[in-house]
Amino acid sequence: NAGVTQTPKFQVLKTGQSMTLQCAQDMNHEYMSWYRQDPGMGLRLIHYSVGAGITDQGEVPNGYNVSRSTTEDFPLRLLSAAPSQTSVYFCASSHRELAYEQYFGPGTRLTVT
Amino acid sequence: GNSVTQMEGPVTLSEEAFLTINCTYTATGYPSLFWYVQYPGEGLQLLLKATKADDKGSNKGFEATYRKETTSFHLEKGSVQVSDSAVYFCAPLGRSNDMRFGAGTRLTVKP
Repeated sequence: NAGVTQTPKFQVLKTGQSMTLQCAQDMNHEYMSWYRQDPGMGLRLIHYSVGAGITDQGEVPNGYNVSRSTTEDFPLRLLSAAPSQTSVYFCASSHRELAYEQYFGPGTRLTVT
Repeated sequence: GNSVTQMEGPVTLSEEAFLTINCTYTATGYPSLFWYVQYPGEGLQLLLKATKADDKGSNKGFEATYRKETTSFHLEKGSVQVSDSAVYFCAPLGRSNDMRFGAGTRLTVKP
């Protein structure tokens, strides 16, 4: 299994541009989530999904959209990038049979100028 | 929703010293509790977990006991190594099966 994969690893955007961060998992996990990590603030939950076709907002959803058309994929869309969205983004997946222990991807480092 | 308070870092220890990183949580009910570790430039990895009160999670010499009376899940290791230098995160599982992480505690172990 590849586990949780994220692309790209690094990205630089200009203010106002849009882009999609990709996340995929091959473990048949029903639960997937997106976090952002900023210095001194730990990880904050952006959006999560409990299964295909179902998504919900986390702590900091503004400026981000998600969709879950398949079990495997959970892309995160930045609609109009802002410098405040400069961060490291982590995708994670989990399964109830594992007590929802989260498996994390390697992260995407995004800089918005 | 659930929340967590972690001991502020950074923590600097000498090799073979005893480690404690405090973690207390607020939650409805008795959620599963987790410790994650993040090595430089990497994502988070599960270190240990406990799914019910009085459970002890352990891995790689680290231990934490789920204490419902004090709503705590403190991380301990008897003898740290340089390779344990990392950031450690405590997290309770939320009612929607989401995780709310603390700010993390940076540990540096010097030879």
